[in-house]
Amino acid sequence: EIVLTQSPGTLSLSPGERATLSCRASQSVSSSYLAWYQQKPGQAPRLLIYGASRRATGIPDRFSGSGSGTDFTLTISRLEPEDFAVYYCQQYGSSPGLTFGGGTKVEIK
Amino acid sequence: QITLKESGPTLVKPTQTLTLTCTFSGFSLSTNGVGVGWIRQPPGKALEWLALIYWDDDKRYSPSLKSRLTITKDTSKNQVVLTMTNMDPVDTATYYCAHSWWFGVPSYFDFWGQGTLVTVSS
Repeated sequence: EIVLTQSPGTLSLSPGERATLSCRASQSVSSSYLAWYQQKPGQAPRLLIYGASRRATGIPDRFSGSGSGTDFTLTISRLEPEDFAVYYCQQYGSSPGLTFGGGTKVEIK
Repeated sequence: QITLKESGPTLVKPTQTLTLTCTFSGFSLSTNGVGVGWIRQPPGKALEWLALIYWDDDKRYSPSLKSRLTITKDTSKNQVVLTMTNMDPVDTATYYCAHSWWFGVPSYFDFWGQGTLVTVSS
């Protein structure tokens, strides 16, 4: 089973700053089958990115994903107040199943 | 417009079996490539995938929980049911159902229900 490690655990930034979140896999993720989700308190996760770099429908272009193999990055180019949340990566396409990372909390500095 | 909603008990006793129902609209589980999955999240913790079922009745389970889980679908009712046996307090979590796709492999979840909190306590 592929283990995903997200870092940092918490990122303290100000609105307008750039956020860089990391997701590292214990083994190579096939065909860049990696997704990113945003979760706000009391809400369900929302899909942001799939296929490592493809934005989901309706996601602003300040969110971008990159990476391949074992190292993936979610970048938020300029943080808006509504972007402060917890972000999870998820790998798919590997046997035996799907796994999520432990999450990165982006908080207001 | 795709929507999903989870329903089931909010409190179960240890050793009991949990049965959760996901009722959805805006898509059909008889359409090629469509799947519905279950994911849970203990309070303050990360997401954990549990199970997936596809239009062709293919079923996938988390290896660590496979012996305790059963997922079924009722296409005519637009429902997916998850049962989890031998519940324990560590199973206390918000349980989500979500829409997914089959791309030759299990994939991501693009629409989620609001989740239902299940507490396991005597």
